[in-house]
Amino acid sequence: AQTVTQSQPEMSVQEAETVTLSCTYDTSESDYYLFWYKQPPSRQMILVIRQEAYKQQNATENRFSVNFQKAAKSFSLKISDSQLGDAAMYFCASCRGSGGGADGLTFGKGTHLIIQP
Amino acid sequence: DAGVIQSPRHEVTEMGQEVTLRCKPISGHNSLFWYRQTMMRGLELLIYFNNNVPIDDSGMPEDRFSAKMPNASFSTLKIQPSEPRDSAVYFCASSLTGAYGYTFGSGTRLTVV
Repeated sequence: AQTVTQSQPEMSVQEAETVTLSCTYDTSESDYYLFWYKQPPSRQMILVIRQEAYKQQNATENRFSVNFQKAAKSFSLKISDSQLGDAAMYFCASCRGSGGGADGLTFGKGTHLIIQP
Repeated sequence: DAGVIQSPRHEVTEMGQEVTLRCKPISGHNSLFWYRQTMMRGLELLIYFNNNVPIDDSGMPEDRFSAKMPNASFSTLKIQPSEPRDSAVYFCASSLTGAYGYTFGSGTRLTVV
C-alpha cells in the first residue's frame, strides 16, 4: 500500500514570490509515479506536473518544478513567480507502475495555497 | 477532445432514493476510476476498471454502492439506497497508462437530504 503525506494544511505567499509545498510518500514499489494536482474553487482536478521515479532529473513545467528526493521519499512542488490564478488546493499523489492499464492514485490530504496580492 | 464527461453536475436526492452517476471517459483511455471527495476523508479511490473489467473495488464503502462499465465509453456508479453520509463530490477519471497522468471529470456534487 502507498501513503502520501502533506504536512502543510495551508500556505500563504505574496504574489510574484516563490513558494514550496511539501509532500512525503511511502511505498514498497520500485516502479512508481508521482503527481501534483491543482484543484481551484471550480473543483476541477488539474494535473500540474508528474515525475517518474526512475528518473533522477526533476520535472519542470514552466513556473512549476519539483524537488524529488527518492531516498528521503520526498516530492515537493515549487511555484515560482506566484500568480493570483495559482490559488487553489494542491494535492500530491502517487501510483505504482503497472505493466498494462493504470493503477489507482493515492492522494495526500492537500495544501490550501493562498496568494496575497 | 471533450475530456472526461460526468453527469449530472449536481444531484440532490432524498434519503432512501437510488442515485446513478454517469461517466464518459476519454476515447482511447483503457482505465477508468471512481473517486469520492469529502472534507473528512479527502480523495478516496472507490473502484477502478482496466479494459472495462473491475480490478479493485476494495474502496467501495458498502454493498449499497455498485459500479459498472458495460463498454469502453461509459460507466455508472449507483448508490441504492442513498444515505446522508453519502453526500460528497464524486469524480470519475480515466487514463491510458498511469505514467502519463489521469484526467478527471468535473465531478458530481451529491447531496442526500
